[in-house]
Amino acid sequence: LAKTTQPISMDSYEGQEVNITCSHNNIATNDYITWYQQFPSQGPRFIIQGYKTKVTNEVASLFIPADRKSSTLSLPRVSLSDTAVYYCLVVYSGAGSYQLTFGKGTKLSVIP
Amino acid sequence: DAGVIQSPRHEVTEMGQEVTLRCKPISGHDYLFWYRQTMMRGLELLIYFNNNVPIDDSGMPEDRFSAKMPNASFSTLKIQPSEPRDSAVYFCASSPPASGLGSNEQFFGPGTRLTVL
Repeated sequence: LAKTTQPISMDSYEGQEVNITCSHNNIATNDYITWYQQFPSQGPRFIIQGYKTKVTNEVASLFIPADRKSSTLSLPRVSLSDTAVYYCLVVYSGAGSYQLTFGKGTKLSVIP
Repeated sequence: DAGVIQSPRHEVTEMGQEVTLRCKPISGHDYLFWYRQTMMRGLELLIYFNNNVPIDDSGMPEDRFSAKMPNASFSTLKIQPSEPRDSAVYFCASSPPASGLGSNEQFFGPGTRLTVL
């Protein structure tokens, strides 16, 4: 059974870089890893997506090592407004079907 | 575009009553997802549709739950009869056409907070 695991919580000071790791076993070559951000009383919001090596956009980077058993969301120079819950989503493919699995979420608290 | 629209935003009902949650996906999106979020279990996929056809409903907890998508712009999630353990936030999300599930971002609605007394 595919499983997506991430730390429950993390604290960081403003201005620091934050790295949140997600573990995903049984991931196939072309299975995508996607990260979402959620604020209280809102739906999750897309941050970044990739399936190999490194992806960077204006808000984050996603690092995926060669074995693809884990991936790391990197948030550069966090601010208080980055305090939120971050979810890793992996869509596992295999045997002609998909299994869409969210991690339990990492609550990031940014401290002034 | 207004984004994914869900109604109602809040629903309080008594055990045994029927509850219907509604969702309007973003125009042009052909995937629609229903999720349930609780503190204990996190975000759980209940069912998803592709081009109005249910593809995977293995996450639907039991026969009390049913979902329909009569056309590309509307979907419902029904619970009948409702129970206190169904209390949760229910999210609807949609995503545009993709080469495979998961290769495109999902756009989430604001959610419906359901409380069953």
